[in-house]
Amino acid sequence: QVQLQESGPGLVKPSETLSLTCTVSGGSISSYYWSWIRQPPGKGLEWIGYIYYSGGTNYIPSLKSRVSISRDTSKNQFSLELRSVTAADTAMYYCAKTVAGSFPDSHFYMDVWGTGTPVTVSS
Amino acid sequence: QSVLTQPPSASGTPGQRVTISCSGSSSNIGRNTVNWYQQFPGTAPRLLIYRNNQRPSGVPVRFSGSKSGTSASLAISGLQSEDEADYYCAAWDDSLNGDVFGTGTEVTVL
Repeated sequence: QVQLQESGPGLVKPSETLSLTCTVSGGSISSYYWSWIRQPPGKGLEWIGYIYYSGGTNYIPSLKSRVSISRDTSKNQFSLELRSVTAADTAMYYCAKTVAGSFPDSHFYMDVWGTGTPVTVSS
Repeated sequence: QSVLTQPPSASGTPGQRVTISCSGSSSNIGRNTVNWYQQFPGTAPRLLIYRNNQRPSGVPVRFSGSKSGTSASLAISGLQSEDEADYYCAAWDDSLNGDVFGTGTEVTVL
């Protein structure tokens, strides 16, 4: 049974880089897709991007210039880096195992989620 | 700014049927399958419905999903007190080349 756990600093200063890691157990990150999602306080969910089994990545256009997702297969971890953060990046950040495909229909969904880690951007 | 539109709230008494709508466009719901997530306060979202109408193992049969054109719906038949939560629809958007979530609906059991 796949489990995910986010980790990283809970406080980041404006203009600096937010770095989070997701540790996966019970499954290999060399299979499936792996996403990052965030949720500002009191607001809805926003998908950030994914890294998939071969190491390829895809990001939401609004964050594309500031975000990177990478992986360490030896540790079975994948990571999020968000540069030049502002208060608007304050949120709960989740990592999730993602299923994607085109047969028999086009589908993309997050079936296992981590518990989330809160990040505050403040000086 | 969410691409998929949901009503902000829905409510019902125990045992009633409640439906939540999710309105999108031809680039998301019109071309791709819809998923629904359930989120209780202070906890991570949980996959409730995937590929329009499929229930993951462990999800009660009172939850059902449907899709027609550029809209989708989640129905809760036989509403129970433990169903009080926020519900989000989601679908891949071919124009954005990314996954998009709905605005979210808070369900209250009266």
